Amino acid sequence: SQKIEQNSEALNIQEGKTATLTCNYTNYSPAYLQWYRQDPGRGPVFLLLIRENEKEKRKERLKVTFDTTLKQSLFHITASQPADSATYLCALVKAAGNKLTFGGGTRVLVKP
Amino acid sequence: GAVVSQHPSWVICKSGTSVKIECRSLDFQATTMFWYRQFPKQSLMLMATSNEGSKATYEQGVEKDKFLINHASLTLSTLTVTSAHPEDSSFYICSAKPGNQPQHFGDGTRLSIL
Repeated sequence: SQKIEQNSEALNIQEGKTATLTCNYTNYSPAYLQWYRQDPGRGPVFLLLIRENEKEKRKERLKVTFDTTLKQSLFHITASQPADSATYLCALVKAAGNKLTFGGGTRVLVKP
Repeated sequence: GAVVSQHPSWVICKSGTSVKIECRSLDFQATTMFWYRQFPKQSLMLMATSNEGSKATYEQGVEKDKFLINHASLTLSTLTVTSAHPEDSSFYICSAKPGNQPQHFGDGTRLSIL
């Protein structure tokens, strides 16, 4: 069966350090992968999209990598700030489709 | 930027009543909208794809007679939870896709059935 796995344990990190989150998938051939941020009681907010033929994408302090051989995406928050504390979700989209399939999310807590 | 609005943000009602949730695209037209459900500490699960002017497409295991979807205009989709019971209590979130942009999500509706 298709699976999208993110580390369910919360990631506690000191302010200024780099947070690295993992998204692994099996039995899936995504056309592209997206990362979202979700705050408690709110809907997800889009952060970054990376296509299957792209290795890396950056946006300000955020970086995403995509390895289709390993079936893995890494999400990095550099120079982390307490305001970065939230749950981060990865979501995959199959080719020729708009449906998003989400991972379970990883909660990040940045301590000052 | 593209904005998706949901209403109400929070609703509490008695078991057996029906509840309607609205999802609006405020500054763009959306022929397709998506409805998700999220239980505490779990991820979003797609329930159905709402198509303007035609029937919604439901995911496996989602009862179409329980969760009625109407997408009567290019900016509005509604989800009605019929004869709601405590097990229907959840966080319901809609999304829409402005053109070629990624999906934009509403802020969700917290539904509590007593």
